[in-house]
Amino acid sequence: AQSVTQLDSHVSVSEGTPVLLRCNYSSSYSPSLFWYVQHPNKGLQLLLKYTSAATLVKGINGFEAEFKKSETSFHLTKPSAHMSDAAEYFCVVTMGGSSNTGKLIFGQGTTLQVKP
Amino acid sequence: DAGVIQSPRHEVTEMGQEVTLRCKPISGHNSLFWYRQTMMRGLELLIYFNNNVPIDDSGMPEDRFSAKMPNASFSTLKIQPSEPRDSAVYFCASTLEGSAKAFFGQGTRLTVV
Repeated sequence: AQSVTQLDSHVSVSEGTPVLLRCNYSSSYSPSLFWYVQHPNKGLQLLLKYTSAATLVKGINGFEAEFKKSETSFHLTKPSAHMSDAAEYFCVVTMGGSSNTGKLIFGQGTTLQVKP
Repeated sequence: DAGVIQSPRHEVTEMGQEVTLRCKPISGHNSLFWYRQTMMRGLELLIYFNNNVPIDDSGMPEDRFSAKMPNASFSTLKIQPSEPRDSAVYFCASTLEGSAKAFFGQGTRLTVV
């Protein structure tokens, strides 16, 4: 069975400091992994995705994530937080390979707070 | 709270039939979102409601799709008539207005044959 766990429900950083949002997954097959961001009163926006190509994935707004199979992790990072990064972040997994059902499995979300 | 509840979990229907997907948001949440997820297009926002009023329906693909929220505890997404290209997983999510903390249902997998 697939699952995804976001290890922190809430992360608070100061503007200009690094961001780390942690995600671990469980999948019997080669997974595809995504990070989405949601701002208040808006829909989800795709930040980046991993689909079995390069393990270090670069996304929009300076975010990147590294797929580590040995650790079953897909942590999201950014070198320097900006006030506009304050939002809710979702780690998402879908089963890959020939058994890809296409259904997304959402983590519970991490609230990122950015302090001035 | 049981979380966001979607029904049915799976729906298989014939082309041309009407399909109704249902969502019960978390009690107290006043924003509700409908998403469609396909392999080709990824996750798309179809429509969202605030206080039972549709705020943005620009993602609704065509007139065959309609959504209603008759009260704060129930929403429907209807497709009439359905077509094979509507096959997808449909997610419902709810939040408190002004909060980005969204809670997702488990989705409805729709197959139109």
